Amino acid sequence: DAMVIQNPRYQVTQFGKPVTLSCSQTLNHNVMYWYQQKSSQAPKLLFHYYDKDFNNEADTPDNFQSRRPNTSFCFLDIRSPGLGDAAMYLCATSSDGTSGAEQFFGPGTRLTVL
Amino acid sequence: TQLLEQSPQFLSIQEGENLTVYCNSSSVFSSLQWYRQEPGEGPVLLVTVVTGGEVKKLKRLTFQFGDARKDSSLHITAAQPGDTGLYLCAGEEETGNQFYFGTGTSLTVIP
Repeated sequence: DAMVIQNPRYQVTQFGKPVTLSCSQTLNHNVMYWYQQKSSQAPKLLFHYYDKDFNNEADTPDNFQSRRPNTSFCFLDIRSPGLGDAAMYLCATSSDGTSGAEQFFGPGTRLTVL
Repeated sequence: TQLLEQSPQFLSIQEGENLTVYCNSSSVFSSLQWYRQEPGEGPVLLVTVVTGGEVKKLKRLTFQFGDARKDSSLHITAAQPGDTGLYLCAGEEETGNQFYFGTGTSLTVIP
């Protein structure tokens, strides 16, 4: 019954070593989001895809990139992770963006940077 | 980025007490959602409010959307230890697709 799946749940990388986090969905939603959540803080929107259209938040660092090869999958690439990028990364989906559309979240990937 | 302020930021109460969490913004949202998040997990949707002035109830939880669709409140009656968690509001911007989270309220209910 899993609807939004994130792999892995825990990821450890080294300072400066590229890492990719993955998200998949079985809901066939056309909007997918990536959020960063640091300890005791609210999730912060990094970017989202409406179908294949990529929408970046103005304050998202260039170090963060995303790919969406098809409706079901979306990837978050961190090109050169720094210690400040250690956080929980949450993927979410929603349907076609009409008012009141609900977001469904995955369980998150906790990233540790050594 | 549209700012949503939640208050209080932290709340610790005894079991059986009532509480209200507020979510305020200067921006208008087409809808507003409330989530509850437990440590190490993703947020779980509690409710979506869409119409200004709308009130929704979910067992002991009452949610209200402000008339101007800029603010919302969550009221919990007779809080229980199982209500402990991080409560987040998230506003959907009027052009759709983007959701911005509030600053969060960490609730602890002491048995």
